[in-house]
Amino acid sequence: AQSVSQHNHHVILSEAASLELGCNYSYGGTVNLFWYVQYPGQHLQLLLKYFSGDPLVKGIKGFEAEFIKSKFSFNLRKPSVQWSDTAEYFCAVNAGQAGTALIFGKGTTLSVSS
Amino acid sequence: GAGVSQSPRYKVAKRGQDVALRCDPISGHVSLFWYQQALGQGPEFLTYFQNEAQLDKSGLPSDRFFAERPEGSVSTLKIQRTQQEDSAVYLCASSVGGSSAYEQYFGPGTRLTVT
Repeated sequence: AQSVSQHNHHVILSEAASLELGCNYSYGGTVNLFWYVQYPGQHLQLLLKYFSGDPLVKGIKGFEAEFIKSKFSFNLRKPSVQWSDTAEYFCAVNAGQAGTALIFGKGTTLSVSS
Repeated sequence: GAGVSQSPRYKVAKRGQDVALRCDPISGHVSLFWYQQALGQGPEFLTYFQNEAQLDKSGLPSDRFFAERPEGSVSTLKIQRTQQEDSAVYLCASSVGGSSAYEQYFGPGTRLTVT
């Protein structure tokens, strides 16, 4: 069965620090990869997605992620975090077949101090 | 335009009660998903509709859980004889097409507490 692992449960950073959140998945076939973010009191929103092509994808708010197929990884990065990036971040994957559900990791809580 | 809406936002039920949770997807979205999110966990898949057809219900944890989408738009998730382990946030998501490559848009969720 597919699974997603997020390495960090809680990350604490100061503003302007660089961010990297790890995500590994287990599935041997074609996958679509996603990072979702949930700001305090808000619903899940898509940060970025990878379907095919350039393995370095850019999303909203300066976030990017790199798909490394050989490592089954899709790590999220941001060069300089802001206080407003405080949120919970979820990595998710689904198989490249119609109608398949997202499989989520357990999430990483990011706290940014100003 | 309006996003995915869910009602009620909060529901407290006594153990053994039946509950019904409603999801209004984005207008015209073909696909609709229900997820369950326990405290401190990521969302877990419950069931999937394409229009009015329930194509996957493999995630429903027991036969106490039932979902429908009779006219291919609004969906209802019903939980019969609620148990404490059913306490969670229930999320609904919709996407414009039937392919897995389409983004899923999430609603705010319904927080169910079973006492």
